[in-house]
Amino acid sequence: EVQLVESGGGLVKPGGSLRLSCAASGFTFGSYSMDWVRQAPGKGLEWVSSISSGSSYINYADPVRGRFTISRDNAKNSLYLQMKSLRAEDTAVYFCAREYSGYGDIDYWGQGTLVTVSS
Amino acid sequence: NFMLTQPHSVSESPGETITISCTRSSGSIASNYVQWFQQRPGSAPTTVIYEDNQRLSGVPHRFSGSIDSSSNSASLTISGLKTEDEADYYCQSYDSGNLRVFGGGTKLTVL
Repeated sequence: EVQLVESGGGLVKPGGSLRLSCAASGFTFGSYSMDWVRQAPGKGLEWVSSISSGSSYINYADPVRGRFTISRDNAKNSLYLQMKSLRAEDTAVYFCAREYSGYGDIDYWGQGTLVTVSS
Repeated sequence: NFMLTQPHSVSESPGETITISCTRSSGSIASNYVQWFQQRPGSAPTTVIYEDNQRLSGVPHRFSGSIDSSSNSASLTISGLKTEDEADYYCQSYDSGNLRVFGGGTKLTVL
């Protein structure tokens, strides 16, 4: 069974940093591209970043480029999102997600972790 | 980049069939796969359709996906509506610049 479990969310002050993790199990993690997707309170889904299976291809949405860094450790079956210079508008539930073939086709989601940016 | 436009809300009665559209603003809808996600209140999204028309394991056959090049849109059709289908539905696709694009979501009410 595919499982994705996020952790690392919490309350952080504007300008602060936070690192999210996503532990994967039930599939060969190193064979799949992965994404981070977020959802602000009461809003829709917003893609944040993606990383290919071997970390060769990394992409970011414009609102987070230059502030967020996606990475992965295939030996540890883990995906990460380092977030810096956090803003109030980054407040959201952050989901990690697996892509079926690496062309944006998300098939499995984690349960999400809440990040709140507030003073 | 392109946008994916969905109706804000739709409603239908139990047992009926409903179709939710997702229109691509530029470029061909057939260029990149479309996915559909269901999100019930307070829960994480789950994938119901991936790669235009493939049902994820465990998704009932009542859910089907299609694309229509003439209208440059994708559709999610749910037949035999059940109250448990009441949720927000999002479409999503892929941009040639390796970006992922989500539609704004459609709230389905089954009344």
